[in-house]
Amino acid sequence: GNSVTQMEGPVTLSEEAFLTINCTYTATGYPSLFWYVQYPGEGLQLLLKATKADDKGSNKGFEATYRKETTSFHLEKGSVQVSDSAVYFCALTPYSNTGKLIFGQGTTLQVKP
Amino acid sequence: TEVTQTPKHLVMGMTNKKSLKCEQHMGHRAMYWYKQKAKKPPELMFVYSYEKLSINESVPSRFSPECPNSSLLNLHLHALQPEDSALYLCASSQGTVNQETQYFGPGTRLLVL
Repeated sequence: GNSVTQMEGPVTLSEEAFLTINCTYTATGYPSLFWYVQYPGEGLQLLLKATKADDKGSNKGFEATYRKETTSFHLEKGSVQVSDSAVYFCALTPYSNTGKLIFGQGTTLQVKP
Repeated sequence: TEVTQTPKHLVMGMTNKKSLKCEQHMGHRAMYWYKQKAKKPPELMFVYSYEKLSINESVPSRFSPECPNSSLLNLHLHALQPEDSALYLCASSQGTVNQETQYFGPGTRLLVL
């Protein structure tokens, strides 16, 4: 079946530290991959996406590369800010045109000044 | 890219009937309801594609979705249980092709007493 596995949190970093949040997936065919961010008390916002192998998604200093050989889509940022504190969800849509979005468990990031 | 949801908060008793409303004006033809419990990822409940229900993830009948037109999505609630207390998120996308991005609203926080 289709599934997403994220590293467990919480992840606590100091401001300006380098961030990596690991995400691996299991899927048949060619899924599309997404990172969503949820700030406290809010809905989900799309952070970035990639729809085919070797695509790199990027936004607001965050990047992730679709690696089919390792079935991974790790999220990175070179220098985090306190305002990046949130829950990050890795997700995929299977190659099935149903619209189903399958989420990982989420990783809480806390950035301290 | 905006999806709006009303109300923001809702408190209801187990015998009440209430409705959640979701609206988008992006011309999207697919709309979704998700349920999110604290510290968990969203769980898909329903998918509407071109105003027709295409997916019901075995949701109890006390939740009744309705799509009056392509911009509006309602969720009618009746005889809910305390365990139904959660954040209810609406999302929309251009279609259900797997590369499509789902855009989420801010959610309705529901408390069932």
